[in-house]
Amino acid sequence: AQSVAQPEDQVNVAEGNPLTVKCTYSVSGNPYLFWYVQYPNRGLQFLLKYITGDNLVKGSYGFEAEFNKSQTSFHLKKPSALVSDSALYFCAVRARGAQAGANNLFFGTGTRLTVIP
Amino acid sequence: DGGITQSPKYLFRKEGQNVTLSCEQNLNHDAMYWYRQDPGQGLRLIYYSQIVNDFQKGDIAEGYSVSREKKESFPLTVTSAQKNPTAFYLCASSIGSRDSNSPLHFGNGTRLTVT
Repeated sequence: AQSVAQPEDQVNVAEGNPLTVKCTYSVSGNPYLFWYVQYPNRGLQFLLKYITGDNLVKGSYGFEAEFNKSQTSFHLKKPSALVSDSALYFCAVRARGAQAGANNLFFGTGTRLTVIP
Repeated sequence: DGGITQSPKYLFRKEGQNVTLSCEQNLNHDAMYWYRQDPGQGLRLIYYSQIVNDFQKGDIAEGYSVSREKKESFPLTVTSAQKNPTAFYLCASSIGSRDSNSPLHFGNGTRLTVT
C-alpha cells in the first residue's frame, strides 16, 4: 500500500532558527515527491518537488527538501525561519509511471508550523 | 493570470438541501480533482476526472456528484445524502499525462456550513 506519514502534527521553532518538517513515504518503485503549503482559508500552494538527480531540492520562499532513498524520507527544511512561514505543510507522493488525474497521489495529514517571534 | 477559481468562498445551507460548488480553471489542464479537508485529517479525494465527460469516484464519493461537460469546469454537488457535509472543499487541476510529475494547482476553497 502506498502512503505518506508526517509524524509531527505541530512543529514550533524560533524565528531565525533552522526548521525541519518531516515526511516519510511508502510507495512501490521510485516516487515523485512534493511539498505544499497552506495558509489559513486558502488552497494549497506548491513549494517544491523531487523528480530525480540531486537529493537536495530547492524550492520557493527559501525552502529546500532532502530526499533520502534508504530512509524513504523527504524532509522539508529552511536555514532560517520567518514568522511568515507559519502555516500548514503537506507532503505528497506519487509512484513514477502512474497516470496523472487518477487516485494515485497520496497526501500526508499535514504539519502545522509555528514560528515564534 | 492562469489559475483555478472556486466560488463561493463561504456557503451556508440548511440540512436536506443539495448545494453545488463551482470550480473553473483556465490552465488548459486535462485532470481535475475535488478534495475535502477536515481538521486533522488532511485531504481526502472525493472525485477526479482525467478528461471531459469522464470522472471517477475517489475515496469518499458517497453523497457527492460531479459533472465534467467542459474542460474548464468541474462542479461538485453535495447532496442531502452526505451525512456530514460541513467541511472545507478544495478543487485542483493538473496536467493529465502519463508519468506526469507536474504538481496540482489548487483553488482557494469553499467553506460549506450545513445547519
